[in-house]
Amino acid sequence: EPEVTQTPSHQVTQMGQEVILRCVPISNHLYFYWYRQILGQKVEFLVSFYNNEISEKSEIFDDQFSVERPDGSNFTLKIRSTKLEDSAMYFCASSRTGNSPLHFGNGTRLTVT
Amino acid sequence: SQKIEQNSEALNIQEGKTATLTCNYTNYSPAYLQWYRQDPGRGPVFLLLIRENEKEKRKERLKVTFDTTLKQSLFHITASQPADSATYLCALDMSMTGAGSYQLTFGKGTKLSVIP
Repeated sequence: EPEVTQTPSHQVTQMGQEVILRCVPISNHLYFYWYRQILGQKVEFLVSFYNNEISEKSEIFDDQFSVERPDGSNFTLKIRSTKLEDSAMYFCASSRTGNSPLHFGNGTRLTVT
Repeated sequence: SQKIEQNSEALNIQEGKTATLTCNYTNYSPAYLQWYRQDPGRGPVFLLLIRENEKEKRKERLKVTFDTTLKQSLFHITASQPADSATYLCALDMSMTGAGSYQLTFGKGTKLSVIP
């Protein structure tokens, strides 16, 4: 069964550094998402992306965050200047249509020191 | 604004019993509601989707109900097994910006432990 893949599985970075988290969504899916989960807390919506543009974003997704689909297969999340509170598990997801179930990757654990 | 409430943070049940998890929402009834399972350190995995015009949906030992009057969905696992131990999340589309925009938002989840 096709799956969403995320790299790296774990990223350690220093405060103030830029990080790029990478995702390969399922190939025939049209909608892409990023979520984050701080340890012990709920899965929080960051952004949805369709037709090469952001369709929805949450209050968390401020100017420090950006997303890109640089080619036909990758979907990336960039955090420009990381803060300690950005430490979390970041999940990428994709769906075939906007109201169909999401398929999640297994996440990138980001640790900001 | 719309809120999703999964009232029980944790639920312990005996193997073989039926587990019932609750999801409440506060305002408008969504067009559909989804349930996911999350294991520690892993991404959520989709289980069931139920639409507003469906009262009940089943898949093997799983059953979901949707009551738009009560603004509630119930998720049942019958004949529970230790392998069912996980966190179960309900999710709604919170988008208010119209067609083509989707913001699937998750509740805090209920951690189910099935005791042998």
